[in-house]
Amino acid sequence: EVQLVQSGAEVKKPGESLKISCKASGYSFTYNWIGWVRQMPGKGLEWMGIIYPRDSDTRYSPSFQGQVTISADKSISTAYLQWSGLKASDTAMYYCARLTSGCGDFWGQGTLVTVSS
Amino acid sequence: DIQMTQSPSSVSASVGDRVTITCRASQDISTWLAWYQQNPGKAPKLLIYAASSLQSGVPSRFSGSGSGTDFTLTISSLQPEDFASYYCQQSYTFPYTFGQGTKLEIK
Repeated sequence: EVQLVQSGAEVKKPGESLKISCKASGYSFTYNWIGWVRQMPGKGLEWMGIIYPRDSDTRYSPSFQGQVTISADKSISTAYLQWSGLKASDTAMYYCARLTSGCGDFWGQGTLVTVSS
Repeated sequence: DIQMTQSPSSVSASVGDRVTITCRASQDISTWLAWYQQNPGKAPKLLIYAASSLQSGVPSRFSGSGSGTDFTLTISSLQPEDFASYYCQQSYTFPYTFGQGTKLEIK
C-alpha cells in the first residue's frame, strides 16, 4: 500500500528556519517525482516544486524559487521542504504528493505550519 | 505559466442532481488535465487523469471530458459525500498549475 506520512504541525516565529518531511512507503521511492503543494487558509492549491529522488533533479514554481528548498534522501525514502527564514505569509497547510504523469495520485496528510510572533 | 480557469467558483445542488464543472487552459494542453476532490481539512484526492481516465477506486458517476483548452468534470448523480471542493490541474508542463477551485454545496 502506497503511503506518504508527513511530519507534525509546527508553530514558529518569523525569521526561524524549518524543515518538514514526507516519508514514503509501499513503492519504489526513487522512480516517481514527489511534489509539494501549499494551501493557504481558505485558499486554493499551489504547486511549489517537485523533486526526482533518483538523481535529486529539482524544479521550483517561479513564485517559490529562492523561497524554499526541496530535497530528498533516497536512503530513507523521505522528501523534505525547508525554509531558512519564515514569514507570517508562510502560514499554510503543506502537502506532499507522489506524482505519476504529473498528477498527484497519492498524498500525505498535510503539515500545518503556523508562523506568528 | 499556463493559467487554469474554473467555473463556476461555487455551485449549489441537491442529492441526485447532475453537475458539470468546467476548466479552461490558457493554451493547448492536449489531454494533460487532472481533476481532484478535496474535503475540508483533508488532502486532495485524484479523481480523473489524462482528462477522461477514472482513477482506481473512484465511483463511475464521475467522468471527465475535453482536450486542447476546454475540459469538463461531470458528476452524474450527486451523493452526500460529493459535496466538497473540486480542482482541475494541468500536467502538460511544469510549473503545474491548478484552477482556483469550485465549491459544491448542498442546496
